[in-house]
Amino acid sequence: EVQLVESGGGLVQPGGSLRLSCAASGFTFSGYEMNWVRQAPGKGLEWVSYISISGFTIYYADSVKGRFTISRDNAKNSLYLQMNSLRAEDTAVYYCARAPTGIAAGDYWGQGILVTVSS
Amino acid sequence: DIQMTQSPSTLSASVGDRVTIICRASQTISSWLAWYQQKPGKAPKLLIYKASTLESGVPSRFSGSGSGTEFTLTISSLQPDDFATYYCQQYPWTFGQGTKVEIK
Repeated sequence: EVQLVESGGGLVQPGGSLRLSCAASGFTFSGYEMNWVRQAPGKGLEWVSYISISGFTIYYADSVKGRFTISRDNAKNSLYLQMNSLRAEDTAVYYCARAPTGIAAGDYWGQGILVTVSS
Repeated sequence: DIQMTQSPSTLSASVGDRVTIICRASQTISSWLAWYQQKPGKAPKLLIYKASTLESGVPSRFSGSGSGTEFTLTISSLQPDDFATYYCQQYPWTFGQGTKVEIK
């Protein structure tokens, strides 16, 4: 069974940092592109970042560029999101999503992890 | 950046109704368009990718069409489980603002 499990969320003060992890199981993690998507309370979905299978190609939304860093460890079947200089507007549920090459969509998503940025 | 606009934002319908949601892209995106269903407190669920390909396990009452800049998601006969919010998404990933399908 395909599973994606996010961890590392919580309450952080403005300007602080958090590192999210997404543990993958039930499939060959090294064969899939991965994304982070977030959803602010009561709002729609917002794509955050993309990483290719090899990790060599990375994209970020303008709203997080320069503050967030996506990475992956294919040996550990894990995806990461290092979030620095956090702002109140980064408060959201963060999802990791698997993206099979060639369909340009996320076919499996984690359950989401809440990040709250507040003093 | 390409913007995605969905209409309507909210749709009131009854069980058995045929429902259509429209998604427009600010510039052509070929057929790189996906549709998701999301229920409160849950992760999005992929329904359709490449504009018209039904994801495995998704009921056949869901269908997608379109190319270029205008796309539609159709539910042929709305079921109680279908009341949810629907999002379109283009590649590279940008989402529409969502369409909430609620009970009339």
